[in-house]
Amino acid sequence: NAGVTQTPKFRVLKTGQSMTLLCAQDMNHEYMYWYRQDPGMGLRLIHYSVGEGTTAKGEVPDGYNVSRLKKQNFLLGLESAAPSQTSVYFCASRTFPDGSNTEAFFGQGTRLTVV
Amino acid sequence: AQKVTQAQTEISVVEKEDVTLDCVYETRDTTYYLFWYKQPPSGELVFLIRRNSFDEQNEISGRYSWNFQKSTSSFNFTITASQVVDSAVYFCALSEIFTTRDNYGQNFVFGPGTRLSVLP
Repeated sequence: NAGVTQTPKFRVLKTGQSMTLLCAQDMNHEYMYWYRQDPGMGLRLIHYSVGEGTTAKGEVPDGYNVSRLKKQNFLLGLESAAPSQTSVYFCASRTFPDGSNTEAFFGQGTRLTVV
Repeated sequence: AQKVTQAQTEISVVEKEDVTLDCVYETRDTTYYLFWYKQPPSGELVFLIRRNSFDEQNEISGRYSWNFQKSTSSFNFTITASQVVDSAVYFCALSEIFTTRDNYGQNFVFGPGTRLSVLP
């Protein structure tokens, strides 16, 4: 009964370091999303993917890269972390059965601090 | 322009009061979906409701009710007889199909959220 799993749950990085956040879903969903949540700003879309091998930019893509080599995994990379990337990161997945539109299922979040 | 507006940043009520959280959205699509999520202090995002643009019936689920009005592009959420456990941040979200030169897909855009505090 895993749903959407994010690893790690917490991380502290030094400015300039790199890291990759992993999102895994076991629901065979086509769409996957990465959001960041900052106080007073809700969830802002960083990148998303409409299927294996495809990615696209969201609202705040700068400083991040993503890859979706397998349908169940969506990776978010920070090549050179900056303090402005201190945030809580959420991954989500969705599907569209019979042309309808389900809710997004979210992971538990990753709290990232860049010092 | 913000696609989903939640004008109320924070609301405080006393337990057992009714409270309405406002959501106003902006879209050019005729087919779209609206959602409400709850984020309790523990941080996870809890799905509450989904509504498509062709279904304007209001919905009631226990103490929760939703009022969808296409004429005013609003999808408001009311909690009746609020309880301390309702204290959370509530997000309204919009999903629409979009096509640009580089992208195609269904986005999922959140409002900034409303922090509800229910006091005992």
